[in-house]
Amino acid sequence: GQQVMQIPQYQHVQEGEDFTTYCNSSTTLSNIQWYKQRPGGHPVFLIQLVKSGEVKKQKRLTFQFGEAKKNSSLHITATQTTDVGTYFCAGPRGSGNTGKLIFGQGTTLQVKP
Amino acid sequence: EADIYQTPRYLVIGTGKKITLECSQTMGHDKMYWYQQDPGMELHLIHYSYGVNSTEKGDLSSESTVSRIRTEHFPLTLESARPSHTSQYLCASSVISAGEYNEQFFGPGTRLTVL
Repeated sequence: GQQVMQIPQYQHVQEGEDFTTYCNSSTTLSNIQWYKQRPGGHPVFLIQLVKSGEVKKQKRLTFQFGEAKKNSSLHITATQTTDVGTYFCAGPRGSGNTGKLIFGQGTTLQVKP
Repeated sequence: EADIYQTPRYLVIGTGKKITLECSQTMGHDKMYWYQQDPGMELHLIHYSYGVNSTEKGDLSSESTVSRIRTEHFPLTLESARPSHTSQYLCASSVISAGEYNEQFFGPGTRLTVL
């Protein structure tokens, strides 16, 4: 069946270090979304990538969508304690425009001050 | 900020009790979802609705049921709670716009503990 895998599962960094999480899909995706969930909170949408090879930036966050539209990455430059949380990638589940998403397992980021 | 609400936020209940988790959204979204999530783990879709009077089960088998009588309301019911139902339940909604843009808005969640 369709799968979305994320690595690493956990990452501990010192404040100021960079961080990257990788997302790989078993199928080609029409788009990929990223969400952030703070500890004790709920997922919050960060961004959606649609085009092959697309790169988008949000301040210190850089998102990439692979050329084959099967992988994606999120890179955070110079992490801060406010970056702590779990980052999920998600792609459309199945074919058709149902709105359903399949989520990766998430990467939990801990930042030591 | 998305207008999607869940009540209660926390619920501790004994085995065998019937419970209903409420979810409401004021955005007029057609599609609504229920996810089950254990702490720090992935989200599992347990129920999906694409409009009024249309619901279907998600990928993760669940003993819960849902209803969608009004667009804005998508309650989840457990007829007889068990300790294995202890988890966080997240409600979400979305609207499909041109270009398959289907960002999901999540409610704050209900943390359920069954003793």
